[in-house]
Amino acid sequence: QKEVEQNSGPLSVPEGAIASLNCTYSDRGSQSFFWYRQYSGKSPELIMSIYSNGDKEDGRFTAQLNKASQYVSLLIRDSQPSDSATYLCAVPPLGSGTYKYIFGTGTRLKVLA
Amino acid sequence: SAVISQKPSRDICQRGTSLTIQCQVDSQVTMMFWYRQQPGQSLTLIATANQGSEATYESGFVIDKFPISRPNLTFSTLTVSNLSPEDSSIYLCSVGGRENTGELFFGEGSRLTVL
Repeated sequence: QKEVEQNSGPLSVPEGAIASLNCTYSDRGSQSFFWYRQYSGKSPELIMSIYSNGDKEDGRFTAQLNKASQYVSLLIRDSQPSDSATYLCAVPPLGSGTYKYIFGTGTRLKVLA
Repeated sequence: SAVISQKPSRDICQRGTSLTIQCQVDSQVTMMFWYRQQPGQSLTLIATANQGSEATYESGFVIDKFPISRPNLTFSTLTVSNLSPEDSSIYLCSVGGRENTGELFFGEGSRLTVL
């Protein structure tokens, strides 16, 4: 059973701080990794993708991938109350087809003003 | 990214009835999928909607319960049949993004409550 695991939270951080969200996955062969943001009552929105070991930065967001340790993380710098949402990690297992994700259960982030 | 419209956005249905959800995309897309998000849970793939052929269902989902149509490259429907309270969920249509990136984009979802 392929798995993607996240701490459900809530993770509470003060405004302006760095929020660190973590995700581990079981399929060592997975090649691509995605972070989605889901506001309450809304659908998931893609915010980051990462395919290679190391860091990938996009504005205030940084995705970090370590395939040897099978984890992927998302850092949000200068956190804002508008970042309060559930963050879903998604991983397509090797051989499953590019779009057949396994989603984690998500980490709920609360940014305190 | 494509604009994805789903109808209805929400509905309340009686046990034993069926609900059909429509998904319209503003551009032609090859890959279209239906996901379910049960209360407090993450997303689970129901099936891949294939244009011109039968949908491909994931383990635990069957055509009799979740018939899917895909008459063209911009439209699909998901029917949830013989409803029970356990079917109360959000159902999401999604489409693939740029080719070979694995990116997925979601419609706004259809929230179903079964009484």
